[in-house]
Amino acid sequence: QKEVEQNSGPLSVPEGAIASLNCTYSDRGSQSFFWYRQYSGKSPELIMFIYSNGDKEDGRFTAQLNKASQYVSLLIRDSQPSDSATYLCAGGLNTGTASKLTFGTGTRLQVTL
Amino acid sequence: ETGVTQTPRHLVMGMTNKKSLKCEQHLGHNAMYWYKQSAKKPLELMFVYNFKEQTENNSVPSRFSPECPNSSHLFLHLHTLQPEDSALYLCASSQGTASNQPQHFGDGTRLSIL
Repeated sequence: QKEVEQNSGPLSVPEGAIASLNCTYSDRGSQSFFWYRQYSGKSPELIMFIYSNGDKEDGRFTAQLNKASQYVSLLIRDSQPSDSATYLCAGGLNTGTASKLTFGTGTRLQVTL
Repeated sequence: ETGVTQTPRHLVMGMTNKKSLKCEQHLGHNAMYWYKQSAKKPLELMFVYNFKEQTENNSVPSRFSPECPNSSHLFLHLHTLQPEDSALYLCASSQGTASNQPQHFGDGTRLSIL
């Protein structure tokens, strides 16, 4: 069973702090990794994707990928109450006929005032 | 406003009913997907279509029947569903099927089976 593992949380951080969300994956064939944010009752919204080892920064968000350790993370700097949501990690694999995303169960982030 | 529109947003049906979920994408994408999201479980991929052709059926029971008349529209026909089929059904689209193509989701249909 190819899996993506995430701590379900909730992860609670104070406003202005750095939130660190982690994800591990078991399928070494996974080629790209995606972070989605999902507010309660809403659809997943793409935050970032990464496919090369190292860091990728976009505004307050930094994605980190370590393929040797099969580890992906998302850092959110200067956390805001509006960042409170469930963050889904997904690994992407091209099977030749389809792009398959395997999702984790998500980590619930709470940013407190 | 999302580039992927799903209707209806909510659906309540009995086990003997037949209904259809509709998805339309306005992003010019070529690939479309159906996912099931149940409480405390990861999103489960159900079907993949690329240029109207089904390329993936993830062992989905036959009581779920997809239809893709063109690259912009995707349907999920439902019949004789079970209570465990109650879930959020999400449609997504992507430019292609390469692994680095992000998928964009609609707001989903919340389905309740009585």
